[in-house]
Amino acid sequence: EAGVTQFPSHSVIEKGQTVTLRCDPISGHDNLYWYRRVMGKEIKFLLHFVKESKQDESGMPNNRFLAERTGGTYSTLKVQPAELEDSGVYFCASSHRTGWVGETQYFGPGTRLLVL
Amino acid sequence: RKEVEQDPGPFNVPEGATVAFNCTYSNSASQSFFWYRQDCRKEPKLLMSVYSSGNEDGRFTAQLNRASQYISLLIRDSKLSDSATYLCVVSGDSYSSASKIIFGSGTRLSIRP
Repeated sequence: EAGVTQFPSHSVIEKGQTVTLRCDPISGHDNLYWYRRVMGKEIKFLLHFVKESKQDESGMPNNRFLAERTGGTYSTLKVQPAELEDSGVYFCASSHRTGWVGETQYFGPGTRLLVL
Repeated sequence: RKEVEQDPGPFNVPEGATVAFNCTYSNSASQSFFWYRQDCRKEPKLLMSVYSSGNEDGRFTAQLNRASQYISLLIRDSKLSDSATYLCVVSGDSYSSASKIIFGSGTRLSIRP
């Protein structure tokens, strides 16, 4: 079974540009999560989709970040315009069932974003 | 104060040693607890869930103390391959509250030959 995949693996952009990250969850997983780890900090929750609906987006830092999951399959996270403090590793995770916080989340390899 | 606190380490121990990590959390309503392992420049992977009764998986033992709000991980007979960062994860003060998934900053473990 294929795991969670993310694209691109790395992205280097200039401040003010736009970047779109993609996540393909494990097939059949209704729940999809985005997380971010900035340099020297812990991994932080950004948002949670159940199928195509945003269940919880309380972790999104500001309105420069837009996440979508059209059709309930893959998800995109767009940062527009990117700022220096957006640099970090963006992880996507998926889980199978109800989204209960006790169930296992499977993480993708992450996208390393560097904003110059 | 951070919601989940861990000693960042690094812990540098010889192969075969027993090593223990602790983690404390601030939200007494938290429901679920996990240890994840993260290798350098890789994604976090679930090591084990942590239950009040304690649970063991091979050389790994996890314990939860709700009264004191701390979680522990014990690794016995450590192997070189155990070298990694261990993340304490606490979640859920409501049934579907994914926003309450809180990661600790991780404890680095290095096993030397």
